[in-house]
Amino acid sequence: GIQVEQSPPDLILQEGANSTLRCNFSDSVNNLQWFHQNPWGQLINLFYIPSGTKQNGRLSATTVATERYSLLYISSSQTTDSGVYFCAVEGYGGSQGNLIFGKGTKLSVKP
Amino acid sequence: SQTIHQWPATLVQPVGSPLSLECTVEGTSNPNLYWYRQAAGRGLQLLFYSVGIGQISSEVPQNLSASRPQDRQFILSSKKLLLSDSGFYLCAWSVGQGDEQYFGPGTRLTVT
Repeated sequence: GIQVEQSPPDLILQEGANSTLRCNFSDSVNNLQWFHQNPWGQLINLFYIPSGTKQNGRLSATTVATERYSLLYISSSQTTDSGVYFCAVEGYGGSQGNLIFGKGTKLSVKP
Repeated sequence: SQTIHQWPATLVQPVGSPLSLECTVEGTSNPNLYWYRQAAGRGLQLLFYSVGIGQISSEVPQNLSASRPQDRQFILSSKKLLLSDSGFYLCAWSVGQGDEQYFGPGTRLTVT
């Protein structure tokens, strides 16, 4: 099956700093999503981005499908950005809707 | 707009007891529905998915079962819980395969 690797596993930032999170995947994908899991466990949808570039406020994401990676950019980080960021992909064929999750990047933003 | 509900939010159950977790979706028809489990400190793993009433597919062999008695209702069950069933259970929905998935608030299950 598809392998998903996220880096770095942990990241500590000072408030106001910028960061880049990376997601590598091992095969072609039908779906790629970025999520933020808050301290209460809720998975917040950030981007649905199987290819291309999207921006939403201080966050933006780019997926280069031909090179099998995606990047999540966080600019001017805030303490509320803390939490775990997951990348998840769905391959072609196989089980419907089976999102394969990476192990996540744990982000801590210090005031 | 669409919303997804799960209950209960937290649950503590003894080993060997039964389990029933419920998930409902509002504001959409004939969604694909999913049950995922997250073990402590790890990513999510798909347990079951359903593309319609009475249609359930299992991803991993386990002590759990799922049912879809109504279009927008998805239930996760067990007859006898094991310690290894502890975890965070999340329900999700999408319009179809390859579409964006949206997650509910989750149920934190502790089996003692």
